[in-house]
Amino acid sequence: EAQVTQNPRYLITVTGKKLTVTCSQNMNHEYMSWYRQDPGLGLRQIYYSMNVEVTDKGDVPEGYKVSRKEKRNFPLILESPSPNQTSLYFCASSSGQNTYYGYTFGSGTRLTVV
Amino acid sequence: DAKTTQPTSMDCAEGRAANLPCNHSTISGNEYVYWYRQIHSQGPQYIIHGLKNNETNEMASLIITEDRKSSTLILPHATLRDTAVYYCIVRVIYNQGGKLIFGQGTELSVKP
Repeated sequence: EAQVTQNPRYLITVTGKKLTVTCSQNMNHEYMSWYRQDPGLGLRQIYYSMNVEVTDKGDVPEGYKVSRKEKRNFPLILESPSPNQTSLYFCASSSGQNTYYGYTFGSGTRLTVV
Repeated sequence: DAKTTQPTSMDCAEGRAANLPCNHSTISGNEYVYWYRQIHSQGPQYIIHGLKNNETNEMASLIITEDRKSSTLILPHATLRDTAVYYCIVRVIYNQGGKLIFGQGTELSVKP
């Protein structure tokens, strides 16, 4: 089944403890992106990647890092998480950044930073 | 990308058609109308998109007015599983970063 897989689904962590949220897609998509969703603010793009080793900032990149060493994986790294990064995170992929057919989203990762 | 306006919430009876409106009065000629939905904090799901012609797929139909300033998403026979937040998004096909700008959407409640 074609899908975007995120792990973990739920995570509670403490301020300052580095963490990684993984994202993997099995559709050979070139484009991948991370969003966060917060009440009243909707979904906002954090980072995106147009292909292996090509990444760029979205609208809210502060406090996050990403890497794209393989086509299928696009992990989101929080080097020193803070409570304002408590949010619902989604990874998305598509065959191109300007795909005609829409993006496929993962099921989400609910992160709580205490 | 043009801004969209949607009603905050709507109800629909199960088995009836759900018609979700969207206003995008500032849409440009090269901007498409996309619809996504999000079921209870799951990842958004692509539904349909169009430029100026009406479109239909296995999930829904999209009706775009001739002046392209508004559109309607139609779920022909709504079921309880169609209860979700529906987002109307206007964007050019080629934008830097490929991001989708999600507004507040319409919360559709399908009732038995």
